Amino acid sequence: NAGVTQTPKFRILKIGQSMTLQCAQDMNHNYMYWYRQDPGMGLKLIYYSVGAGITDKGEVPNGYNVSRSTTEDFPLRLELAAPSQTSVYFCASRSSGGATNEKLFFGSGTQLSVL
Amino acid sequence: GENVEQHPSTLSVQEGDSAVIKCTYSDSASNYFPWYKQELGKRPQLIIDIRSNVGEKKDQRIAVTLNKTAKHFSLHITETQPEDSAVYFCAASIQGAQKLVFGQGTRLTINP
Repeated sequence: NAGVTQTPKFRILKIGQSMTLQCAQDMNHNYMYWYRQDPGMGLKLIYYSVGAGITDKGEVPNGYNVSRSTTEDFPLRLELAAPSQTSVYFCASRSSGGATNEKLFFGSGTQLSVL
Repeated sequence: GENVEQHPSTLSVQEGDSAVIKCTYSDSASNYFPWYKQELGKRPQLIIDIRSNVGEKKDQRIAVTLNKTAKHFSLHITETQPEDSAVYFCAASIQGAQKLVFGQGTRLTINP
């Protein structure tokens, strides 16, 4: 299993540009998440999904959109990029199968700079 | 909603000494408390977790304690080694809930 795969690893955007961060998992996990991690800070939840066709906002959703058309893929869309969106973005997934399956599996992250 | 506070934000200890990181949570319904370790430039990884039906859990040199009455839990690392240098995150959620709330992280440095 590849686990959780994120692309790209690095990206520089100009203010106002748009882009999509890709996330795919091959563990058949129902739950998927997008977090951002600002320098020296913790993980803030942007959006999450509990299954194909279902998404919900996290703590910091403004400026982002997501979709979940398949169990495997959970792309994050940035529209009109702003310097405040400079961050490291982590995608994560986990099984929905009860109390013994709460471990989050993280992707390797995308370092995004908006200049 | 749940709020998790983590202290200290940075911690420096001599190799071989012990390190303790503390977290408090706000929602008394929370009953699942994992700890994640993030090495420099790497992804966070689960190192240990505890559920509210136990007060302490150990795994080799790491242990987690939970005080439900005071709503705080702690990570203890004994006999620290250079490879323990990393950022550690605590988190809390209601067991089976869809969302995990993370603390702000602690940067632990082990000095040789």
